[in-house]
Amino acid sequence: EAQVTQNPRYLITVTGKKLTVTCSQNMNHEYMSWYRQDPGLGLRQIYYSMNVEVTDKGDVPEGYKVSRKEKRNFPLILESPSPNQTSLYFCASSDLPGLATTDTQYFGPGTRLTVL
Amino acid sequence: RKEVEQDPGPFNVPEGATVAFNCTYSNSASQSFFWYRQDCRKEPKLLMSVYSSGNEDGRFTAQLNRASQYISLLIRDSKLSDSATYLCVVNNVYSGNTPLVFGKGTRLSVIA
Repeated sequence: EAQVTQNPRYLITVTGKKLTVTCSQNMNHEYMSWYRQDPGLGLRQIYYSMNVEVTDKGDVPEGYKVSRKEKRNFPLILESPSPNQTSLYFCASSDLPGLATTDTQYFGPGTRLTVL
Repeated sequence: RKEVEQDPGPFNVPEGATVAFNCTYSNSASQSFFWYRQDCRKEPKLLMSVYSSGNEDGRFTAQLNRASQYISLLIRDSKLSDSATYLCVVNNVYSGNTPLVFGKGTRLSVIA
């Protein structure tokens, strides 16, 4: 079954304690991205990756890191989480945007993060 | 002007009604367009792509107006199960900007 998985699904942590949210896809997609969703602000892109070892900042990259060492995985790293990073996070993957017939973004189920 | 703008709603409509949402985009070089549906606390899922000539999928019709830079979604004969947030998505991959830009969404509530 084609899917994007994220772990953990729920996490409560404290300020400054490094954490990683994993994202994995089994569709051999080149494009992967991370979004955060907050009430009234919609989905905002944090980072994206067009392929292995190629990552770019999205609209709200501050406080986050990513890596793309393998095609299927795209972890999101919060080196020193702060309360303003409390949010719902989604990972997504697709073929490269621009290939008109295959632009569907597949989203993971989301990770609800609370930073105290 | 924001890249992708949508009326946040909520649109509260009775079952069976026809409802239309618009979405405006600012980048005239935008390549392709989509509507996604998001249920509460769930991940967004593709509803339909928007083609230049307009396209229909059952009760749903999507239209693109490049001259005025907006896309629309029409839902006919609304069902209770249509209640969700509808996200407009614009692909800017060839313009050098962030490839995919999401609108903040329009909330629809269909009432019995």
